[in-house]
Amino acid sequence: AQKVTQAQTEISVVEKEDVTLDCVYETRDTTYYLFWYKQPPSGELVFLIRRNSFDEQNEISGRYSWNFQKSTSSFNFTITASQVVDSAVYFCALSEAFGSARQLTFGSGTQLTVLP
Amino acid sequence: ETGVTQSPTHLIKTRGQQVTLRCSSQSGHNTVSWYQQALGQGPQFIFQYYREEENGRGNFPPRFSGLQFPNYSSELNVNALELDDSALYLCASSLATGGLNYGYTFGSGTRLTVV
Repeated sequence: AQKVTQAQTEISVVEKEDVTLDCVYETRDTTYYLFWYKQPPSGELVFLIRRNSFDEQNEISGRYSWNFQKSTSSFNFTITASQVVDSAVYFCALSEAFGSARQLTFGSGTQLTVLP
Repeated sequence: ETGVTQSPTHLIKTRGQQVTLRCSSQSGHNTVSWYQQALGQGPQFIFQYYREEENGRGNFPPRFSGLQFPNYSSELNVNALELDDSALYLCASSLATGGLNYGYTFGSGTRLTVV
């Protein structure tokens, strides 16, 4: 069975601070995908990144960066110089790479509030 | 390229009634998945449709059923509504080919309230 844990329920930071959102996962699959999604108040899940389990290189996209460590089953997400527009709920998710349905298993989310 | 659209955006139903939610897939996508997101929780997988057949199902009772049409749009039907069915229902489309699934595009969801 797959499981994703986001231990941080809520985080509040002041604008321009850096913030890291933690994600720990469990899976028996040797090949899998990890995702991060952003959910603003409108409800739509906005795709941020997909990472293949074979690729442990860290990735940076503008103010966003991701640290994937297979040894600790973690896929953490850092926002540098946070902005008020970053306020949202962030979800980490896991799916098998092969198989019939490849459903997403989500964590419970982290509510990020960036204060001006 | 149009995204995933869901209708209606909000809905209020009475316990015991039936409801149908609709989803139009993103252009070029052939797979549709439905998720239920209760307040304060992460989305939970309900089921997925590929080539008009159910292709996987989460831990939901049979009163949750669906359809996928030749144009890849989809419906989620819920019978005998219960108060706990109140949630945001999200539809996600994707392209599945050659045994691989290339990412998911989500709609904005339908907020269902059962009273």
